Amino acid sequence: GAVVSQHPSRVICKSGTSVKIECRSLDFQATTMFWYRQFPKQSLMLMATSNEGSKATYEQGVEKDKFLINHASLTLSTLTVTSAHPEDSSFYICSALGQGARQPQHFGDGTRLSIL
Amino acid sequence: QKEVEQNSGPLSVPEGAIASLNCTYSDRGSQSFFWYRQYSGKSPELIMSIYSNGDKEDGRFTAQLNKASQYVSLLIRDSQPSDSATYLCAVTLPETASKLTFGTGTRLQVTL
Repeated sequence: GAVVSQHPSRVICKSGTSVKIECRSLDFQATTMFWYRQFPKQSLMLMATSNEGSKATYEQGVEKDKFLINHASLTLSTLTVTSAHPEDSSFYICSALGQGARQPQHFGDGTRLSIL
Repeated sequence: QKEVEQNSGPLSVPEGAIASLNCTYSDRGSQSFFWYRQYSGKSPELIMSIYSNGDKEDGRFTAQLNKASQYVSLLIRDSQPSDSATYLCAVTLPETASKLTFGTGTRLQVTL
């Protein structure tokens, strides 16, 4: 149980392109999903918290107009990197939180984004 | 002071030995504690969760929590080469509910 699917797994595109990443909880409902970014040899950095049916909460220093998050259903959240530039190249990982007290976060497989 | 601290390693142990991974946290009100394993180029995978003082065992893994010392550890018995990975300690802080605060991870190498 607790499977989180993230798609696509890898994206290579030109500078200025917008890229959409999907995160789905396959066998449970997730009212809360999280989006992380991880640069090489560094730990995960939380970008934003996504709650179903409401606006995402962004961490300090994360541009909400650049990283658009939509959480339209209990099983799907999307992250759109708008007008991506080479410095946006990173490993983007989503996680989903199960319902109930003290539930752990379950992570998707991540999306490796490379902007040329 | 970092909120969650781990020794970056690498921690090298021979196959079959016990690997001991340690983590300290600064906020005494931290409530939930997790160990994740991350292979190179992959996303984190939940290994253990622990919420109260003491030991929690699951197969070859044992998590130990000492809230008085603000210390959580992960023991891996009979270490295998496939255990070689980075182990991330994560805690939830009282004021941020379900958000995880991660340590920088300890890289474990299990040698043949």
